[in-house]
Amino acid sequence: DAGVIQSPRHEVTEMGQEVTLRCKPISGHNSLFWYRQTMMRGLELLIYFNNNVPIDDSGMPEDRFSAKMPNASFSTLKIQPSEPRDSAVYFCASRLQGYEQYFGPGTRLTVT
Amino acid sequence: LAKTTQPISMDSYEGQEVNITCSHNNIATNDYITWYQQFPSQGPRFIIQGYKTKVTNEVASLFIPADRKSSTLSLPRVSLSDTAVYYCLVGDRGSTLGRLYFGRGTQLTVWP
Repeated sequence: DAGVIQSPRHEVTEMGQEVTLRCKPISGHNSLFWYRQTMMRGLELLIYFNNNVPIDDSGMPEDRFSAKMPNASFSTLKIQPSEPRDSAVYFCASRLQGYEQYFGPGTRLTVT
Repeated sequence: LAKTTQPISMDSYEGQEVNITCSHNNIATNDYITWYQQFPSQGPRFIIQGYKTKVTNEVASLFIPADRKSSTLSLPRVSLSDTAVYYCLVGDRGSTLGRLYFGRGTQLTVWP
């Protein structure tokens, strides 16, 4: 089992550019979570999906952030336009209903 | 959603037993208590989960008193590699609305 796969692992971009982060959950898992981690705010849940349907997006900071899950094996988190304050590590996690979340290695985003 | 309170940081020496206590006064009847571990530059990793009394696995023990308003994660004979952030979470693992609040966690530093 390859675990949760995220790409890219590192992203450096300029303010105003569009950023797309990608996640492939563990096969068979029916929930997917996007988190953001910074020193100031710790680990924050942005949005999560259950059976490909967004359930709770109350953690999405503003309209510049959007997330999609077109099928059970793929999800994207898009930031447009990006700002320096979006710099953080973004984690994707997946879960089989009722059990623990499995986290990916994260994408370190730097917006200059 | 039950919120948790845990120490920001703890220090220990190799070979000692470490106990990290977490308060969750508003825990609901259906809530489980889960602990995650996060090493630098990695995503959090599930280590143990329990509902009441005591749970033990190869990594740690979890002690939960009868009122369930707190829990204690016990790490026996820690080593340098146990240096990590430990998160206490409370939630209904069986619910579709299965979001978990990670908070800031406890930074455990193990010294030689």
